[in-house]
Amino acid sequence: EADIYQTPRYLVIGTGKKITLECSQTMGHDKMYWYQQDPGMELHLIHYSYGVNSTEKGDLSSESTVSRIRTEHFPLTLESARPSHTSQYLCASSPGDEAFFGQGTRLTVV
Amino acid sequence: QKEVEQNSGPLSVPEGAIASLNCTYSDRGSQSFFWYRQYSGKSPELIMFIYSNGDKEDGRFTAQLNKASQYVSLLIRDSQPSDSATYLCAVKSPGDKLIFGTGTRLQVFP
Repeated sequence: EADIYQTPRYLVIGTGKKITLECSQTMGHDKMYWYQQDPGMELHLIHYSYGVNSTEKGDLSSESTVSRIRTEHFPLTLESARPSHTSQYLCASSPGDEAFFGQGTRLTVV
Repeated sequence: QKEVEQNSGPLSVPEGAIASLNCTYSDRGSQSFFWYRQYSGKSPELIMFIYSNGDKEDGRFTAQLNKASQYVSLLIRDSQPSDSATYLCAVKSPGDKLIFGTGTRLQVFP
């Protein structure tokens, strides 16, 4: 199992602010993922990475960006938060096929 | 057509019964298949993975894969109230994206 950490756990922020959601893993996994999930709804893949300096967009149109400068770190940035960004953001890492999730960040944009 | 499809449920079964959860996928090139359990307000937790046609058993859980029919299932034997959760089917595409279905909500009543 992976040790994967997301911060903050909860965030309430005003419209128009720039925010970065942090995700770190200590297992040296090459693959990492960001998902967005509204309560009771499905997980939508928004970004993923095969390794350092590799990032790909997922299936959900998103105004977020990611970077992968170090293996263990995969932050997600929203340049200008909007109420429509209110959701749960889940980060996962994978040593190969199976993925392990962090605790998530619940974001509320007011 | 969604890439991974599940019946959203709820599927209600009595304690001690077998719960059967089903999933279909659209990409014939997919090679890896996963079942996650998600309790309300929590992150998904990996419970089973399967790569080859046939059955794979782990305790009370059995995963079944039929690549010709593009069908994956999860059987839970001797269902317990603590098994009540949403079960997510996930498929790893040839492009290494991990795509989730909408999930099936399982309710086990005493």
